[in-house]
Amino acid sequence: ETGVTQSPTHLIKTRGQQVTLRCSSQSGHNTVSWYQQALGQGPQFIFQYYREEENGRGNFPPRFSGLQFPNYSSELNVNALELDDSALYLCASSFDRGRDEKLFFGSGTQLSVL
Amino acid sequence: GNSVTQMEGPVTLSEEAFLTINCTYTATGYPSLFWYVQYPGEGLQLLLKATKADDKGSNKGFEATYRKETTSFHLEKGSVQVSDSAVYFCALSDARGGADGLTFGKGTHLIIQP
Repeated sequence: ETGVTQSPTHLIKTRGQQVTLRCSSQSGHNTVSWYQQALGQGPQFIFQYYREEENGRGNFPPRFSGLQFPNYSSELNVNALELDDSALYLCASSFDRGRDEKLFFGSGTQLSVL
Repeated sequence: GNSVTQMEGPVTLSEEAFLTINCTYTATGYPSLFWYVQYPGEGLQLLLKATKADDKGSNKGFEATYRKETTSFHLEKGSVQVSDSAVYFCALSDARGGADGLTFGKGTHLIIQP
């Protein structure tokens, strides 16, 4: 049990729609990261938020955006969905943003884009 | 850019067998190295880490040594149990730390038969 919860667990959308995925971090964790995991692949870094500001971003287009709130919750928003966006989306929280920080992962949201 | 390569699975072993899962990496700096494990139906969990060359990470009978000369971080366990069945991910974190996120390998599915 990591203490990180994600909702919903499964979601089906059609191409061109917008989606919001939610994450609740462990209390006291001021950093949240989002990852995309395609089938049979390792997780790929989307972005990280530290104290409600974007702290770093992977190789994902601007239609992937996020928010982090003071109550340890966060969101991942994806606009103009494409078929290739179908994947498991993982949220991970950590106490701080250092490179050696232990990440606590949620179980993920499985997004299917039809 | 950074990359992690780990052996393809699934790897099937009998209980009490010796386990090695190979992991090699490419990085521009001196990364920190991690093994994360994903048990069925659960989120990824940190298994062990090493932050500098020749460090050995260990946890739950698993070990891995940071080998800079061979750019490797192979996971080993002397005697596996059925409960070790899971997907194992090797990952690295580079100099910019959380701002660049973790770079993961594709994962190795380990199946332990009684």
